Amino acid sequence: EAGVTQSPTHLIKTRGQQATLRCSPISGHTSVYWYQQALGLGLQFLLWYDEGEERNRGNFPPRFSGRQFPNYSSELNVNALELEDSALYLCASSATGRTEAFFGQGTRLTVV
Amino acid sequence: AQKVTQAQTEISVVEKEDVTLDCVYETRDTTYYLFWYKQPPSGELVFLIRRNSFDEQNEISGRYSWNFQKSTSSFNFTITASQVVDSAVYFCALSEAMEGGSEKLVFGKGTKLTVNP
Repeated sequence: EAGVTQSPTHLIKTRGQQATLRCSPISGHTSVYWYQQALGLGLQFLLWYDEGEERNRGNFPPRFSGRQFPNYSSELNVNALELEDSALYLCASSATGRTEAFFGQGTRLTVV
Repeated sequence: AQKVTQAQTEISVVEKEDVTLDCVYETRDTTYYLFWYKQPPSGELVFLIRRNSFDEQNEISGRYSWNFQKSTSSFNFTITASQVVDSAVYFCALSEAMEGGSEKLVFGKGTKLTVNP
């Protein structure tokens, strides 16, 4: 069974641009979570999607947004990129009502 | 708010030594989950264990064992007879309920374990 997959693995963008990160959950999982792992800040919760809707978000500005598609895959969009957005972005998925979250390998975003 | 403290930033051991990674948590919830994840250099977070707050039994899985003590709010992780492949950053995490019915994970800062041959 395939695990959580994320693309691209690496992404380099210029300050002010937009970045789009993608995540495919484990088959049968309806919840997708996004976390940011920035140097010095640790792992922080970003967004939670379930059944196609944003259910909750962490303490991040609105330029961090995303969506979940009917097949439960998800996109994370970061607009007006800033240098401090450089981080590893990890996606996790879980089955409805389960707390176990399985993570993908992450997308390393570098903003120059 | 929930908080997870991993006081050991880095640990270095020689292969075959036993090593314990400490995790102390704070929560006001009566029901919660505790997790350990391994993050190798590749970046992926590998799920190791989930423990329910009502289950204080220690758990052993091969060379890995976990000691959950509610009285001291600790959930420590021991690797017996460490191997070079155990080198990674290890994260302890605590579930925090969110509006909408699910839970997010609150992570500690991680402990970087280096096992030398």
